[in-house]
Amino acid sequence: GAGVSQSPSNKVTEKGKDVELRCDPISGHTALYWYRQSLGQGLEFLIYFQGNSAPDKSGLPSDRFSAERTGGSVSTLTIQRTQQEDSAVYLCASSPLGGAGEQYFGPGTRLTVT
Amino acid sequence: GDSVTQMEGPVTLSEEAFLTINCTYTATGYPSLFWYVQYPGEGLQLLLKATKADDKGSNKGFEATYRKETTSFHLEKGSVQVSDSAVYFCALRGPNAGNMLTFGGGTRLMVKP
Repeated sequence: GAGVSQSPSNKVTEKGKDVELRCDPISGHTALYWYRQSLGQGLEFLIYFQGNSAPDKSGLPSDRFSAERTGGSVSTLTIQRTQQEDSAVYLCASSPLGGAGEQYFGPGTRLTVT
Repeated sequence: GDSVTQMEGPVTLSEEAFLTINCTYTATGYPSLFWYVQYPGEGLQLLLKATKADDKGSNKGFEATYRKETTSFHLEKGSVQVSDSAVYFCALRGPNAGNMLTFGGGTRLMVKP
């Protein structure tokens, strides 16, 4: 079946602009995660959605970052007033209810802030 | 908090050589353990997993055994191929970690023909 999809695959933006990144999880997966992959910081957890529960936002680096998940499916990660240090690959993952907690990742969105 | 430590790369091997990538972890309770692989230009793919002590995860000729006594989950393959060249990430999901994965820093493997 279809895997996790993300769009856009690449995004170049100017410092100070807002960006929106989209994630379509695997159909039927109840949990959705956002991570950030950068050279200096490795893979960092950002935010986690599980069903209709309140999201776990403990990994968001600042209040410029926010995310929502509509209808328990598609998610959008928004970064306001982008800074150069926001440049990274943003990865989305989903996982089914139960199991060992394995997560299935999308191809990522490469964000470059100039 | 939870953490994962991997051997630094790059690891350079000739085709058909034996591979070991070390991974150790720190976590409270009994985490689930994973290896992910990232091929050039692609996203992370789940390679194998283990959920309890002494479990052995295996896939595509790769194996890793959950060692509670040494808090390790080393990745091994008996005979690597050029197509195995990628970055390998060890990760854990702690029972009290809110379901997110904690990743090691990744180890780049380069296999030469």
